[in-house]
Amino acid sequence: NAGVTQTPKFQVLKTGQSMTLQCAQDMNHEYMSWYRQDPGMGLRLIHYSVGAGITDQGEVPNGYNVSRSTTEDFPLRLLSAAPSQTSVYFCASSYSGRNTGELFFGEGSRLTVL
Amino acid sequence: DAKTTQPPSMDCAEGRAANLPCNHSTISGNEYVYWYRQIHSQGPQYIIHGLKNNETNEMASLIITEDRKSSTLILPHATLRDTAVYYCIVNSGGSNYKLTFGKGTLLTVNP
Repeated sequence: NAGVTQTPKFQVLKTGQSMTLQCAQDMNHEYMSWYRQDPGMGLRLIHYSVGAGITDQGEVPNGYNVSRSTTEDFPLRLLSAAPSQTSVYFCASSYSGRNTGELFFGEGSRLTVL
Repeated sequence: DAKTTQPPSMDCAEGRAANLPCNHSTISGNEYVYWYRQIHSQGPQYIIHGLKNNETNEMASLIITEDRKSSTLILPHATLRDTAVYYCIVNSGGSNYKLTFGKGTLLTVNP
């Protein structure tokens, strides 16, 4: 199993450009989420999904869109990038939403917006 | 979810036990204590979690006080590769996929 795979690992954007961060998992996990991490800070939840076709907002959703058309994929879209979105983005997945297991994280996507 | 308090940094000698404390005095009855760690900006890695009983796995032990207001993560024989930021998270019973990460404790294992 590859686990949780994020692409790209690094990206530089100009203000106003759009892009999609890809996240895929091959563990048949129902639950997936996106976090961002700014320097010296913990992770903050952006959006999450409890299954295909179902998404919801986390703590910091503004400026980001998500969709979940398949169990495996959970892309994060930036429609008009801003310098405040410079951050490291982590995707995570979980088999069970209950407190019976762990979150599996990807290796992160490092985004710089100029 | 209850708020947690962790020291910002700790040091430990290689081969010794590392004891990382966490205060969660406002924890409620259905909230679990989770520990994750993050090595050098990699994705966070799950370590262990528990509700009220002490727990042990191949990575660590989790000791939760009887009143559940604090806990300690124990790495029994710390190695240089255990240098990381350790996050203590208190989470309600409904959703392990919506965790709230604070700033954690930077554990530095010294040779």
